[in-house]
Amino acid sequence: AQTVTQSQPEMSVQEAETVTLSCTYDTSESDYYLFWYKQPPSRQMILVIRQEAYKQQNATENRFSVNFQKAAKSFSLKISDSQLGDAAMYFCAYRRGYGGATNKLIFGTGTLLAVQP
Amino acid sequence: DTAVSQTPKYLVTQMGNDKSIKCEQNLGHDTMYWYKQDSKKFLKIMFSYNNKELIINETVPNRFSPKSPDKAHLNLHINSLELGDSAVYFCASSQIKTGRGTEAFFGQGTRLTVV
Repeated sequence: AQTVTQSQPEMSVQEAETVTLSCTYDTSESDYYLFWYKQPPSRQMILVIRQEAYKQQNATENRFSVNFQKAAKSFSLKISDSQLGDAAMYFCAYRRGYGGATNKLIFGTGTLLAVQP
Repeated sequence: DTAVSQTPKYLVTQMGNDKSIKCEQNLGHDTMYWYKQDSKKFLKIMFSYNNKELIINETVPNRFSPKSPDKAHLNLHINSLELGDSAVYFCASSQIKTGRGTEAFFGQGTRLTVV
């Protein structure tokens, strides 16, 4: 069974600084997707970034980028130039690539990010 | 224009009651899901539907019954509510293309409190 582990329950960063959130996963499959979701106090789950396992290039979305190490099964999220609005719970998630609607997101336990002004 | 909307956003009810949560998506997706987020913020799949057909049914008490009247709607009915059912319930949707799914879009969640 696939598992996702986020070993940092809480992190803190100064505004304008850079922070990296860690995520490791375990799977025997080669075809899968990895995601980072953000959940601010409003409770809404917002997709931050997604990575296809077959792509070697790390995904980037503006100030958000990932370091995808497939062999090490590591998928960290780097937030550059942190802003107050980045304060939220961040979830790492895994989903198998094939299998259509039988797929489900498997979530880590989350990292609560605080941004200090 | 909300992509995935759930009603109600908050629900407070007494033990033993029956309640429903409704979800609608206007993204044209063919697959919808219910996820449960417990008090420790852990998220776990409950059900998924593809074109109105139940696909995923995780180990959930049979007091929980999903219903999908059409591709755009997925409701969750809960009978005989218990204190342990208190949680945030998220609806989500995605599109399956050639056997692969797009990323899931989530509703804003329904916070259910059983007293």
